[in-house]
Amino acid sequence: EVQLVESGGGLVKPGGSLRLSCAASGFSVSNAWMSWVRQAPGKGLEWIGRIRGVSEGGSTDNNAALKGRFIVSRDDSKNTVNLQMNSLDAEDTAVYFCASNRLAVAGWAFDSWGLGTQVTVSS
Amino acid sequence: EIVLTQSPDFQSVTPKEKVTITCRASQSIGNSIHWYQQKPNQSPKLLIKYTSESLSGVPSRFSGSGFGTDFTLSINSLEAEDAATYYCHQSSHLPVTFGGGTKVEIK
Repeated sequence: EVQLVESGGGLVKPGGSLRLSCAASGFSVSNAWMSWVRQAPGKGLEWIGRIRGVSEGGSTDNNAALKGRFIVSRDDSKNTVNLQMNSLDAEDTAVYFCASNRLAVAGWAFDSWGLGTQVTVSS
Repeated sequence: EIVLTQSPDFQSVTPKEKVTITCRASQSIGNSIHWYQQKPNQSPKLLIKYTSESLSGVPSRFSGSGFGTDFTLSINSLEAEDAATYYCHQSSHLPVTFGGGTKVEIK
């Protein structure tokens, strides 16, 4: 069974940094394209960025609206995907989800999602 | 950036009624629209991929149609468990984007 579990959320002060992790089971993250998506309170979904599978070079694509503050990486030895978040402000308060594109399963649709981890930016 | 405009924002529906949700893209995206269901305090769940392709385990009352800029998610014979917010998502262009969501309430 495919499962994604995010961790690392919490309360952080404005200007601070936080690193989230997403642990995968049931498949190898190195063989998938993995994204991070966030949802502010009572709002819709916003794509943050993704990392490509190893066979596609493992490079990243980011949402330019976030101005390079968020960096997606992968640790194949732990089967995890990470999100480094810098220069945080109140508008970054949201639930952060990781989601998978397993191309053979659902192409570019997000076939699986984690339960999310809450990030709150407040002084 | 491709903007996806969903309508309506909210719909209150009686069980067994049909629900139709539309998603309009700001430019043509072929068939690269996917639909998700999100229940309160849960993560989104993929319902339909590539406009109309069904997925294992998703009830057959969910269907999709469209091409280019105009897309539709239909729920035939609504059931109480379908109370949720529905989102469209385009994967044609980066950044991938989502519609604003349509909340479906059961009367």
